[in-house]
This record gives sequence, structure tokens and C-alpha cells, in this order.
Amino acid sequence: KQEVTQIPAALSVPEGENLVLNCSFTDSAIYNLQWFRQDPGKGLTSLLLIQSSQREQTSGRLNASLDKSSGRSTLYIAASQPGDSATYLCAVVNYGQNFVFGPGTRLSVLP
Amino acid sequence: DTAVSQTPKYLVTQMGNDKSIKCEQNLGHDTMYWYKQDSKKFLKIMFSYNNKELIINETVPNRFSPKSPDKAHLNLHINSLELGDSAVYFCASSRTVSYNSPLHFGNGTRLTVT
Repeated sequence: KQEVTQIPAALSVPEGENLVLNCSFTDSAIYNLQWFRQDPGKGLTSLLLIQSSQREQTSGRLNASLDKSSGRSTLYIAASQPGDSATYLCAVVNYGQNFVFGPGTRLSVLP
Repeated sequence: DTAVSQTPKYLVTQMGNDKSIKCEQNLGHDTMYWYKQDSKKFLKIMFSYNNKELIINETVPNRFSPKSPDKAHLNLHINSLELGDSAVYFCASSRTVSYNSPLHFGNGTRLTVT
């Protein structure tokens, strides 16, 4: 059974810092991995989707990497801003199954 | 225009009542989902429909019954509500079930059972 964990559970950084969020999964036979952000009282917004054949995806200040063999993904946020404050979740999907979500990392970027 | 919309946003009701949550997507997607986010913020799949057909039904009490009148709508009906049903319920959609389609979420329905 696929299990997804995320470290750290919460992170507080000053504005302008670069930061890394971690995601680990137990079954490496994934089809793809997706990173989301969730703002309080809102739904999830898709940030990046990495297919199993890819090693990374970039969108603006965000870069997500995937190492299937070790069961890990990282989300790198460059030059963090207060508007980046949210909960970040990763989710993986194995073929024929549904997305399994991690518990999320709650990020606070202080002005 | 809202891509995935759910109503109501908040739902407060008493134990034993029956309630429904509606979901609509205007993205032209084939696949829709219901997820439950509990008090610890864990997000778990409940149901998945593809072109109005049920394809995923996780271990959910049969008091929960999804209905998809067409591929743009997926409603969730809950009978005999219990305290443990209190959670945020999210509707989502994706272009296909090919697993390479990003998920698009609604803003959630916060259900409180008293």
C-alpha cells in the first residue's frame, strides 16, 4: 500500500530565502507525482506534475525534482515571498489507482 | 469562471439527517472525484467517476452515494449523518484517467454534524 510522507510538517522562513520541501513515498512504481498548494479555506491548486519518466519540472520560482528509485521528490522555492505562505502537498499515483496524498508542509514566509 | 464549483460551501446539520453536496466542472474533463479531508488534514479519495461511470469506490460507508447525471456533474448524497462525517469534502476533476492529467479541485464543502 502506497504511503506518502512530507518533511517538515511546518516551516517558517524570512522573506527572500530559498527553501526545499521534501516528499517521500514507499512504492516507487509510480505513474506520476503532483505538487499542490492549499490556502486556508480553499481547495488545492496544482503547481507541478512530474511524469515518471521525468526528473524535474519548473514553473517560475518553483522547481520540483523526482527520484523514483529512492522514492523521493523535492519542491524548491526560490526567493520566497509572503504570498507563498500556504500548505504544500504532494501526491503520487500508481497505475490503475488513485492519487495518494501526503499530509502536507505548512509554510509561513515572514515579511 | 470557476472551473470546479461545489455547493454549499458550509453545511451544518444534525445527526441522522440526509444531505447532498453538488459539484460541477466546466473544464470538459471526463473524470471526477470526491475526496475527504479530515481534521488532521489528510486527504483521501472516496469515489472516482469516468464519463458517468463509477471506477473507484474506496472503503466508504454505503451511507455515502455518489451520483453523476452527466460527466460535468458529480453529486454526493449522505444518509443518516454521523458525528464522524464532519470534515471538508472536495470535488476534483481531471482530463482523463490516464494518470498524467493534473487534478483540479473545488474550494471544498465544510460539513459539520452536531
